[in-house]
Amino acid sequence: AQKVTQAQTEISVVEKEDVTLDCVYETRDTTYYLFWYKQPPSGELVFLIRRNSFDEQNEISGRYSWNFQKSTSSFNFTITASQVVDSAVYFCALIFQSGGSYIPTFGRGTSLIVHP
Amino acid sequence: EAGVTQSPTHLIKTRGQQATLRCSPISGHTSVYWYQQALGLGLQFLLWYDEGEERNRGNFPPRFSGRQFPNYSSELNVNALELEDSALYLCASGLNNSPLHFGNGTRLTVT
Repeated sequence: AQKVTQAQTEISVVEKEDVTLDCVYETRDTTYYLFWYKQPPSGELVFLIRRNSFDEQNEISGRYSWNFQKSTSSFNFTITASQVVDSAVYFCALIFQSGGSYIPTFGRGTSLIVHP
Repeated sequence: EAGVTQSPTHLIKTRGQQATLRCSPISGHTSVYWYQQALGLGLQFLLWYDEGEERNRGNFPPRFSGRQFPNYSSELNVNALELEDSALYLCASGLNNSPLHFGNGTRLTVT
């Protein structure tokens, strides 16, 4: 079975603090894709990043960085120098291929609150 | 390029009624996914349509159904509404393993 666990339900930080959102996944497939999405209060999920299972390079995009470690089945997301606009629910997701089907599985999300 | 559009934005129904939610995918995307986001439960996978066929469904009762039209737009129907069906219903479109693109959702309230 495929599963995505985001153990942190809610994180509260003060602006300019660094914060890491954890994501642990389970899958038996060797080929899969991991994603992070942001859901601001407006409700729409915004795609942030995709990583395939064969690419363990970490990635940095501005204040955002992602650490993918297959050895621990984790795909953690760090926001450096957080800002109030980063306040949102963040979802980690896994897509695997099973018999020609691509079935996205989402974690329960982590609510990030950044205080001014 | 137009994004995924969902209608209506809000829908208020009473118990026992039927609700119909609509979704138009991004041009070129053949897959449409429906998710239910109830308070505190994250995104629960409902249905996946691709090329007009239902490819997979999540752990929901049969009163949740839908279809995909030849232009790849999709409809989600919820029959015999129950109070716990109140949630944000999100539609997403995609192509194979590409990132899903989500609409703004339909907020369904059952009273």
